[in-house]
Amino acid sequence: RKEVEQDPGPFNVPEGATVAFNCTYSNSASQSFFWYRQDCRKEPKLLMSVYSSGNEDGRFTAQLNRASQYISLLIRDSKLSDSATYLCVVKARGGTYKYIFGTGTRLKVLA
Amino acid sequence: DAGVIQSPRHEVTEMGQEVTLRCKPISGHDYLFWYRQTMMRGLELLIYFNNNVPIDDSGMPEDRFSAKMPNASFSTLKIQPSEPRDSAVYFCASSLDHRSYNEQFFGPGTRLTVL
Repeated sequence: RKEVEQDPGPFNVPEGATVAFNCTYSNSASQSFFWYRQDCRKEPKLLMSVYSSGNEDGRFTAQLNRASQYISLLIRDSKLSDSATYLCVVKARGGTYKYIFGTGTRLKVLA
Repeated sequence: DAGVIQSPRHEVTEMGQEVTLRCKPISGHDYLFWYRQTMMRGLELLIYFNNNVPIDDSGMPEDRFSAKMPNASFSTLKIQPSEPRDSAVYFCASSLDHRSYNEQFFGPGTRLTVL
């Protein structure tokens, strides 16, 4: 089983739609959680951190469920520019701290 | 401010050749990470440094791979000899310190093709 698992997609949604991604992680000692965004042939960039109480940044909402070991990302009012791959990232301690990346979920927002 | 700088951006080489990838982290960042990204395996951590010292190299695939950080502003990842299965995008990233929610800043990557 992978340490961080995501549905690879692609999720094809029309502009204006609401879309949600989930990510599960296996290490219960995981410390910090993030969503990164990666555009085609570009480097990953931080979209938002995910805090225990959940957090929102504009159209984006992230939630953490430690008991079930999953995090989620909700995108409201999707824009064409939201088309990208969304990477779930978990920082966990296994001897040393490591950032573990999921393989990503592809989102295509259609006009 | 300049971000993480990597060179070269593209590298095409033949099997058996030595390949050296270079990275300049963001000034003042204490941590430097090398990742490899492929379609099949996604983004994998190879090694990371804290204050120029290698902390965890458990992700380095085999002895053909080596990484150094001679000073705070420069790191190299070397593959010798290279093999076709090493073809991937190699990213370098840096972060300020290791506090829980510190962001990792990635360089543009080096796209390596081994023929």
